[in-house]
Amino acid sequence: DADVTQTPRNRITKTGKRIMLECSQTKGHDRMYWYRQDPGLGLRLIYYSFDVKDINKGEISDGYSVSRQAQAKFSLSLESAIPNQTALYFCATSDSSGRADTQYFGPGTRLTVL
Amino acid sequence: GDSVTQMEGPVTLSEEAFLTINCTYTATGYPSLFWYVQYPGEGLQLLLKATKADDKGSNKGFEATYRKETTSFHLEKGSVQVSDSAVYFCALSPIAAGNKLTFGGGTRVLVKP
Repeated sequence: DADVTQTPRNRITKTGKRIMLECSQTKGHDRMYWYRQDPGLGLRLIYYSFDVKDINKGEISDGYSVSRQAQAKFSLSLESAIPNQTALYFCATSDSSGRADTQYFGPGTRLTVL
Repeated sequence: GDSVTQMEGPVTLSEEAFLTINCTYTATGYPSLFWYVQYPGEGLQLLLKATKADDKGSNKGFEATYRKETTSFHLEKGSVQVSDSAVYFCALSPIAAGNKLTFGGGTRVLVKP
Protein backbone atom coordinates (compact mmCIF):
# COMPACT_ATOMS: atom_id res chain seq x y z
CA ASP A 1 0.00 0.00 0.00
CA ALA A 2 1.12 3.53 -0.75
CA ASP A 3 2.56 5.51 2.16
CA VAL A 4 0.90 8.79 1.12
CA THR A 5 -2.56 8.61 -0.42
CA GLN A 6 -4.72 11.34 -1.87
CA THR A 7 -8.43 11.35 -2.64
CA PRO A 8 -9.92 11.96 -5.08
CA ARG A 9 -7.37 11.40 -7.84
CA ASN A 10 -9.38 13.42 -10.33
CA ARG A 11 -12.13 15.96 -9.80
CA ILE A 12 -14.07 18.23 -12.09
CA THR A 13 -16.15 20.94 -10.47
CA LYS A 14 -17.81 24.23 -11.23
CA THR A 15 -16.93 27.77 -10.30
CA GLY A 16 -18.16 28.68 -6.83
CA LYS A 17 -18.33 25.14 -5.46
CA ARG A 18 -16.58 24.11 -2.25
CA ILE A 19 -14.09 21.32 -2.73
CA MET A 20 -12.10 19.24 -0.25
CA LEU A 21 -8.99 17.27 -1.14
CA GLU A 22 -7.83 14.70 1.37
CA CYS A 23 -4.43 13.33 2.23
CA SER A 24 -3.55 10.41 4.48
CA GLN A 25 -0.15 9.00 5.39
CA THR A 26 1.07 5.86 7.09
CA LYS A 27 4.69 6.98 7.46
CA GLY A 28 4.23 8.35 10.97
CA HIS A 29 5.61 11.74 9.95
CA ASP A 30 4.80 14.89 11.88
CA ARG A 31 5.11 17.29 8.98
CA MET A 32 2.65 17.55 6.10
CA TYR A 33 2.46 19.89 3.12
CA TRP A 34 0.13 20.87 0.29
CA TYR A 35 1.52 22.01 -3.06
CA ARG A 36 0.03 22.88 -6.40
CA GLN A 37 1.77 22.18 -9.68
CA ASP A 38 1.26 24.31 -12.75
CA PRO A 39 3.09 23.81 -16.06
CA GLY A 40 6.39 25.68 -16.11
CA LEU A 41 6.01 26.91 -12.54
CA GLY A 42 7.09 23.84 -10.67
CA LEU A 43 5.46 23.18 -7.32
CA ARG A 44 4.36 26.00 -5.04
CA LEU A 45 3.63 25.59 -1.35
CA ILE A 46 0.05 26.32 -0.27
CA TYR A 47 0.02 25.33 3.41
CA TYR A 48 2.14 23.26 5.73
CA SER A 49 1.74 21.76 9.18
CA PHE A 50 4.53 20.73 11.53
CA ASP A 51 2.16 18.96 13.92
CA VAL A 52 -1.55 18.65 14.62
CA LYS A 53 -1.80 22.04 16.32
CA ASP A 54 0.51 23.90 13.95
CA ILE A 55 -0.77 25.27 10.62
CA ASN A 56 1.18 27.72 8.48
CA LYS A 57 0.52 29.58 5.26
CA GLY A 58 2.77 28.96 2.34
CA GLU A 59 3.55 30.99 -0.75
CA ILE A 60 0.06 30.89 -2.28
CA SER A 61 -2.54 30.35 0.47
CA ASP A 62 -5.20 32.81 -0.73
CA GLY A 63 -8.42 31.00 -1.65
CA TYR A 64 -7.43 27.85 0.26
CA SER A 65 -7.83 26.53 3.79
CA VAL A 66 -6.59 23.40 5.52
CA SER A 67 -7.45 21.12 8.40
CA ARG A 68 -5.11 18.76 10.25
CA GLN A 69 -7.57 16.26 11.68
CA ALA A 70 -4.90 13.92 13.02
CA GLN A 71 -1.21 13.28 12.65
CA ALA A 72 -1.99 11.15 9.62
CA LYS A 73 -4.57 13.35 7.89
CA PHE A 74 -4.30 16.76 6.27
CA SER A 75 -7.12 18.16 4.13
CA LEU A 76 -7.10 21.06 1.69
CA SER A 77 -10.29 23.00 0.97
CA LEU A 78 -11.17 25.41 -1.78
CA GLU A 79 -13.95 27.49 -0.27
CA SER A 80 -15.25 28.81 -3.57
CA ALA A 81 -13.43 27.29 -6.50
CA ILE A 82 -12.37 29.45 -9.45
CA PRO A 83 -10.95 28.40 -12.84
CA ASN A 84 -7.39 29.53 -12.09
CA GLN A 85 -7.30 26.94 -9.30
CA THR A 86 -7.27 24.28 -11.99
CA ALA A 87 -4.02 22.45 -11.28
CA LEU A 88 -2.39 19.28 -10.03
CA TYR A 89 -2.32 19.17 -6.22
CA PHE A 90 0.20 17.21 -4.21
CA CYS A 91 0.37 16.32 -0.56
CA ALA A 92 3.76 15.54 0.98
CA THR A 93 5.14 14.47 4.34
CA SER A 94 8.51 14.65 6.06
CA ASP A 95 10.01 13.33 9.23
CA SER A 96 11.60 16.10 11.28
CA SER A 97 12.80 19.65 11.41
CA GLY A 98 16.00 18.94 9.53
CA ARG A 99 16.26 21.05 6.40
CA ALA A 100 17.61 18.21 4.32
CA ASP A 101 14.93 15.68 5.20
CA THR A 102 13.27 13.96 2.30
CA GLN A 103 9.71 14.86 1.48
CA TYR A 104 7.48 11.97 0.38
CA PHE A 105 4.77 12.84 -2.12
CA GLY A 106 1.36 11.42 -2.80
CA PRO A 107 0.24 10.58 -6.34
CA GLY A 108 -1.57 13.89 -6.81
CA THR A 109 -5.12 15.10 -7.39
CA ARG A 110 -5.95 16.62 -10.75
CA LEU A 111 -8.55 19.33 -10.19
CA THR A 112 -10.42 21.05 -13.00
CA VAL A 113 -12.63 24.04 -12.24
CA LEU A 114 -15.03 24.92 -15.04
CA GLY B 1 13.43 35.83 -1.84
CA ASP B 2 14.76 32.39 -2.56
CA SER B 3 14.41 31.06 -6.08
CA VAL B 4 15.49 28.21 -8.33
CA THR B 5 15.99 28.46 -12.07
CA GLN B 6 16.36 25.44 -14.28
CA MET B 7 16.56 24.96 -17.99
CA GLU B 8 13.30 24.67 -19.81
CA GLY B 9 12.48 21.53 -21.67
CA PRO B 10 11.61 19.41 -23.24
CA VAL B 11 14.98 17.78 -23.60
CA THR B 12 14.90 14.97 -26.14
CA LEU B 13 17.75 12.47 -26.20
CA SER B 14 18.61 9.13 -27.68
CA GLU B 15 19.27 6.18 -25.42
CA GLU B 16 22.84 6.09 -24.05
CA ALA B 17 23.31 9.83 -24.60
CA PHE B 18 24.74 12.13 -21.94
CA LEU B 19 22.24 14.22 -20.00
CA THR B 20 22.81 17.55 -18.29
CA ILE B 21 20.09 19.66 -16.72
CA ASN B 22 21.24 23.04 -15.47
CA CYS B 23 20.03 24.42 -12.16
CA THR B 24 21.00 27.67 -10.47
CA TYR B 25 19.65 29.14 -7.27
CA THR B 26 19.35 32.35 -5.31
CA ALA B 27 19.35 32.09 -1.54
CA THR B 28 21.10 33.48 1.48
CA GLY B 29 23.68 31.36 3.20
CA TYR B 30 23.99 27.67 2.46
CA PRO B 31 20.67 26.05 1.59
CA SER B 32 20.29 22.33 1.09
CA LEU B 33 19.80 21.37 -2.56
CA PHE B 34 17.72 18.57 -4.06
CA TRP B 35 16.74 16.93 -7.30
CA TYR B 36 13.30 15.33 -7.41
CA VAL B 37 11.96 13.24 -10.29
CA GLN B 38 8.36 12.81 -11.40
CA TYR B 39 7.60 9.80 -13.58
CA PRO B 40 4.45 9.93 -15.71
CA GLY B 41 1.30 9.79 -13.63
CA GLU B 42 3.15 9.72 -10.32
CA GLY B 43 4.10 12.03 -7.49
CA LEU B 44 7.60 13.36 -6.99
CA GLN B 45 10.34 11.28 -5.45
CA LEU B 46 13.74 12.30 -4.19
CA LEU B 47 16.53 11.53 -6.65
CA LEU B 48 19.50 13.00 -4.77
CA LYS B 49 20.50 15.79 -2.42
CA ALA B 50 23.47 17.76 -1.06
CA THR B 51 23.68 19.79 2.11
CA LYS B 52 26.92 21.75 1.86
CA ALA B 53 29.31 23.23 -0.65
CA ASP B 54 31.26 20.73 -2.78
CA ASP B 55 29.05 17.84 -1.69
CA LYS B 56 28.14 15.45 -4.48
CA GLY B 57 24.78 13.72 -4.44
CA SER B 58 24.37 10.57 -6.49
CA ASN B 59 21.72 7.95 -7.17
CA LYS B 60 20.71 5.65 -10.05
CA GLY B 61 23.64 6.87 -12.14
CA PHE B 62 22.70 10.53 -11.68
CA GLU B 63 25.08 13.01 -10.04
CA ALA B 64 24.99 16.64 -8.99
CA THR B 65 27.61 18.73 -7.19
CA TYR B 66 26.81 21.65 -4.90
CA ARG B 67 28.77 24.61 -6.31
CA LYS B 68 28.60 27.57 -3.98
CA GLU B 69 30.82 29.78 -6.13
CA THR B 70 28.44 29.50 -9.11
CA THR B 71 25.26 28.88 -7.04
CA SER B 72 24.57 25.83 -9.17
CA PHE B 73 23.51 22.19 -8.78
CA HIS B 74 23.53 20.74 -12.28
CA LEU B 75 22.21 17.22 -12.79
CA GLU B 76 24.15 14.80 -14.99
CA LYS B 77 23.90 11.23 -16.17
CA GLY B 78 26.40 9.60 -18.44
CA SER B 79 24.15 7.19 -20.32
CA VAL B 80 20.39 7.63 -20.19
CA GLN B 81 17.78 4.94 -20.67
CA VAL B 82 14.21 5.12 -21.90
CA SER B 83 13.12 4.60 -18.30
CA ASP B 84 14.73 7.95 -17.37
CA SER B 85 11.99 9.78 -19.26
CA ALA B 86 10.41 12.00 -16.61
CA VAL B 87 10.18 15.54 -15.30
CA TYR B 88 13.10 16.61 -13.13
CA PHE B 89 12.80 19.32 -10.48
CA CYS B 90 15.61 21.17 -8.76
CA ALA B 91 14.73 22.48 -5.29
CA LEU B 92 16.28 24.16 -2.27
CA SER B 93 15.56 24.26 1.44
CA PRO B 94 16.76 27.44 3.13
CA ILE B 95 18.74 27.44 6.32
CA ALA B 96 16.09 28.75 8.69
CA ALA B 97 12.92 27.41 7.10
CA GLY B 98 12.57 23.97 8.59
CA ASN B 99 12.02 21.66 5.68
CA LYS B 100 10.14 23.94 3.29
CA LEU B 101 11.12 23.49 -0.34
CA THR B 102 11.34 26.02 -3.14
CA PHE B 103 11.14 24.35 -6.56
CA GLY B 104 12.32 25.24 -10.02
CA GLY B 105 9.89 25.00 -12.92
CA GLY B 106 10.84 21.46 -13.88
CA THR B 107 12.52 20.03 -16.98
CA ARG B 108 10.83 17.35 -19.02
CA VAL B 109 13.23 14.75 -20.42
CA LEU B 110 12.24 12.34 -23.17
CA VAL B 111 14.61 9.49 -24.04
CA LYS B 112 13.98 7.75 -27.33
CA PRO B 113 15.13 4.20 -28.10
